[in-house]
Amino acid sequence: AQSVTQLGSHVSVSEGALVLLRCNYSSSVPPYLFWYVQYPNQGLQLLLKYTTGATLVKGINGFEAEFKKSETSFHLTKPSAHMSDAAEYFCAVSEENQGGKLIFGQGTELSVKP
Amino acid sequence: DADVTQTPRNRITKTGKRIMLECSQTKGHDRMYWYRQDPGLGLQLIYYSFDVKDINKGEISDGYSVSRQAQAKFSLSLESAIPNQTALYFCATSDLGIRALVSGANVLTFGAGSRLTVL
Repeated sequence: AQSVTQLGSHVSVSEGALVLLRCNYSSSVPPYLFWYVQYPNQGLQLLLKYTTGATLVKGINGFEAEFKKSETSFHLTKPSAHMSDAAEYFCAVSEENQGGKLIFGQGTELSVKP
Repeated sequence: DADVTQTPRNRITKTGKRIMLECSQTKGHDRMYWYRQDPGLGLQLIYYSFDVKDINKGEISDGYSVSRQAQAKFSLSLESAIPNQTALYFCATSDLGIRALVSGANVLTFGAGSRLTVL
């Protein structure tokens, strides 16, 4: 069965510092991987996704993630945090022929200090 | 107007009451989903629908029912609400058609959420 684990329910960084949010997954077949962001009082928005091809995926707002099959990981990074990046981030996985159902991780809340 | 609209946005009710959360979309998407969000648990799938005639249970369907009244409308009902159904509920749609060959790589579009409190 698919599952997603996000290491750390809360991450705090200083403005301008590197953002690293960790995601590990389990899947019996090559997965499709997603990062979504949720700003306060809003629904989830897609940051980026990995389907096939290049393992380094670039998303919106300067975020990127790298699919590492050997490590079953899909960590999200941003070189320099901005105050507006403060939000909750969700990693998700789906598989072929699963009707688009996403299995979500528990979420990581990112705080950015001035 | 939002692509995916949920009503109500906030609702407080009492144990045993029947509650309906409604979702409508203007995306023209065939597939619709209901998720529940609890702190520290992420989002869990309640029900999903590939089209008007196709309804499927998700991970946590007990205590919930759904109705797909039209392509654009997908309602979630709690027949007899209980306190542990207090949560934030999200409706989502996806642009995969029912006959899509690649059915895992789609992107979900979420509504803004309906916060339900059961006292």
